[in-house]
Amino acid sequence: DTGVSQDPRHKITKRGQNVTFRCDPISEHNRLYWYRQTLGQGPEFLTYFQNEAQLEKSRLLSDRFSAERPKGSFSTLEIQRTEQGDSAMYLCASSGGGAEDTQYFGPGTRLTVL
Amino acid sequence: AQKITQTQPGMFVQEKEAVTLDCTYDTSDPSYGLFWYKQPSSGEMIFLIYQGSYDQQNATEGRYSLNFQKARKSANLVISASQLGDSAMYFCAMRSSTGFQKLVFGTGTRLLVSP
Repeated sequence: DTGVSQDPRHKITKRGQNVTFRCDPISEHNRLYWYRQTLGQGPEFLTYFQNEAQLEKSRLLSDRFSAERPKGSFSTLEIQRTEQGDSAMYLCASSGGGAEDTQYFGPGTRLTVL
Repeated sequence: AQKITQTQPGMFVQEKEAVTLDCTYDTSDPSYGLFWYKQPSSGEMIFLIYQGSYDQQNATEGRYSLNFQKARKSANLVISASQLGDSAMYFCAMRSSTGFQKLVFGTGTRLLVSP
């Protein structure tokens, strides 16, 4: 059973550049989530997809952030015009529904904006 | 609004001893789920244990058990027979069972297990 995978694992970019991250969920999971984690904090929710529909978005997700899940499988998170405050770990999770609906996380993408 | 509070920034325990990591929560939802995750230095969040708000018994998963006290709104994680590999950050999280799917996390507790 393959877990959640994320690519790239690390990304260093200059301020003002655009970056895109990819997440591949566990194959049978129809729910996908993005979180952001800064140093010393717990993850903070960004957005949630059920199949290809984006059903929840946090106020943290400014206009510079956009997420897609075009075919209900993998998802991408794009950040435009990156700022130093965007430096964080970006975590993706997936779940398959049910009573517990446990979210399983990928290894994360660590973004550093110089 | 939902809130998770973890008041212990760091905990130390000797190998083979038991340790309790504290978690209190606040919610007005009648139905909710509580989760504990482990985050090693590699960064991946590893699911440990789940407790539903209507579950009558405390959850257990191997060496992990959840001491759920609903009236006190606490969901403490107990790790028995600590191992060196248990050294990591531990996060308590909550999800409402009505409406939103997001997990709300606490700030975490860093556990160090010494030989």
